[in-house]
Amino acid sequence: DQQVKQNSPSLSVQEGRISILNCDYTNSMFDYFLWYKKYPAEGPTFLISISSIKDKNEDGRFTVFLNKSAKHLSLHIVPSQPGDSAVYFCAATERGYGNKLVFGAGTILRVKS
Amino acid sequence: SQTIHQWPATLVQPVGSPLSLECTVEGTSNPNLYWYRQAAGRGLQLLFYSVGIGQISSEVPQNLSASRPQDRQFILSSKKLLLSDSGFYLCAWEEGPYEQYFGPGTRLTVT
Repeated sequence: DQQVKQNSPSLSVQEGRISILNCDYTNSMFDYFLWYKKYPAEGPTFLISISSIKDKNEDGRFTVFLNKSAKHLSLHIVPSQPGDSAVYFCAATERGYGNKLVFGAGTILRVKS
Repeated sequence: SQTIHQWPATLVQPVGSPLSLECTVEGTSNPNLYWYRQAAGRGLQLLFYSVGIGQISSEVPQNLSASRPQDRQFILSSKKLLLSDSGFYLCAWEEGPYEQYFGPGTRLTVT
């Protein structure tokens, strides 16, 4: 039972354009969401997060949007750069559940120059 | 600043052999620590987490075990490896409230 789903295995975007990575979740108890970026043979790197009390959080080129009614979040990268090419994981956690993150399967982003 | 170390970086082990992967964290005290596994083409699966010395919670039944002998040391072990244990093993520590920071990982191939 996948509680966090990233339905697009891969995404290809032209340099300078917007990259939109999507994530859906099924557990309505999740109240904090995170995005991680992972290069091959390296550990994931924390990118940005959002609490369920917000619907948007922005950090430089990265913006995360949360739609609680649709149980959907997305990561926008503007403008996309070749160095953004990596696997992006969405993760969610439920308050009071030991801070255990539930990860999606990841989306491979390729930014073409 | 906090740093997390994992070793070895890569490991090739035969089926039935034992396993010991070590993770240490610097620059913080009493961190929550986590072991994850990423199988080929899959997401990150939480294996174990620890909120303190000697305190281990297991998330998935398997032939792996974890121990936390010191505050900043987290060890993943197996007495007999299976082919299905192959994967990329990641240790993470937590900076509250929810962000986790990962080590470089260990690529384990069981042959």
